[in-house]
Amino acid sequence: NAGVTQTPKFRILKIGQSMTLQCTQDMNHNYMYWYRQDPGMGLKLIYYSVGAGITDKGEVPNGYNVSRSTTEDFPLRLELAAPSQTSVYFCASSRGEAGNTIYFGEGSWLTVV
Amino acid sequence: EDQVTQSPEALRLQEGESSSLNCSYTVSGLRGLFWYRQDPGKGPEFLFTLYSAGEEKEKERLKATLTKKESFLHITAPKPEDSATYLCAVQSLGKTSYDKVIFGPGTSLSVIP
Repeated sequence: NAGVTQTPKFRILKIGQSMTLQCTQDMNHNYMYWYRQDPGMGLKLIYYSVGAGITDKGEVPNGYNVSRSTTEDFPLRLELAAPSQTSVYFCASSRGEAGNTIYFGEGSWLTVV
Repeated sequence: EDQVTQSPEALRLQEGESSSLNCSYTVSGLRGLFWYRQDPGKGPEFLFTLYSAGEEKEKERLKATLTKKESFLHITAPKPEDSATYLCAVQSLGKTSYDKVIFGPGTSLSVIP
């Protein structure tokens, strides 16, 4: 089972460049999420979506944008990359009901120089 | 404010030396408490969900317990392959359709042969 798949695995960006992290899930989950993980800080929610066409901000949305045109796909767009966006990014999904398990992708390592 | 803390930050055990990891939480209302395992370079992998105080769940050498303020992950006779970072997450009752999930910073466990 593929589960949650995100690409690319690694990327180096220059300050001011833009890029899109791709995420797709094959579990027919309604909810999808983007988290970033910094050392010692835990996972912080960037954006989430409760269904196709619906997105909302999480704890740390500044500098990012998302879209959800299909149930399967939830890309994360970084505009005008900054060194503070150097992090590991995880896409995740869940059925969305209370207490439901969140399943994670393998992560995307992004360095902004 | 909803909050999740984990202790210790790091733990080194000899193979076979049992111990416990702690997750303390403060939320307005608990939907569920999750434990995840994260290996280096990988996404978090789901272990358990606990929903109410007094609940316990077991998987191989791991046992998770829940009280009204904290959860423990007990590791019995650990093996080197149990070495990983263990993440605790709490889902709180939300005012919208989204019940927020808050992650703790994790406990890094090393099991020495």
